[in-house]
Amino acid sequence: DTEVTQTPKHLVMGMTNKKSLKCEQHMGHRAMYWYKQKAKKPPELMFVYSYEKLSINESVPSRFSPECPNSSLLNLHLHALQPEDSALYLCASSPGPTPRALSGANVLTFGAGSRLTVL
Amino acid sequence: GEDVEQSLFLSVREGDSSVINCTYTDSSSTYLYWYKQEPGAGLQLLTYIFSNMDMKQDQRLTVLLNKKDKHLSLRIADTQTGDSAIYFCAESKGGGFKTIFGAGTRLFVKA
Repeated sequence: DTEVTQTPKHLVMGMTNKKSLKCEQHMGHRAMYWYKQKAKKPPELMFVYSYEKLSINESVPSRFSPECPNSSLLNLHLHALQPEDSALYLCASSPGPTPRALSGANVLTFGAGSRLTVL
Repeated sequence: GEDVEQSLFLSVREGDSSVINCTYTDSSSTYLYWYKQEPGAGLQLLTYIFSNMDMKQDQRLTVLLNKKDKHLSLRIADTQTGDSAIYFCAESKGGGFKTIFGAGTRLFVKA
């Protein structure tokens, strides 16, 4: 299995709703990422988990709450979002740091994304 | 600071070669990447190059790196309509989690 699977593909929510985005990989990767991508823009890093611990939070508002229940799963909990949060949310994974890869390339495998619309 | 710049649009005829260019500012970047994004999809890694290399070839793809000028290019030989997509240049430091993406070059291939 060489895929990153994201659900749902599309999500429409109101500003008072609580919803979650889910991501799953079975490649044995130990690093998992959330990116946000607005139209005609590059992906912007939000969070990185390494070995199930939050490693990077790029000053993301608290209305986005990540969770990594185990090494294969990554969730993004959404609450009280704003219309400007509408975007494509991409999950990615990478092999993660190992003694051999301490100076290696960070090859990302992306999911197809969850397109979020906030009304 | 870190910055990756690309031209936004390239149009070529089917069968021609495409050359997509990128410049980066962080001289400590150790890996440079090319990702492809088709409409409605995530990004797919095409190839990457270590900063001590000048060139890497992989089937129809040739990557050239000029480290002195901080210039990276991706050449696609015999471009096909299926190559129409957005191509992102990106950089990272060895062992790091942060990958900095350029704005992306939209390649349009005319039949």
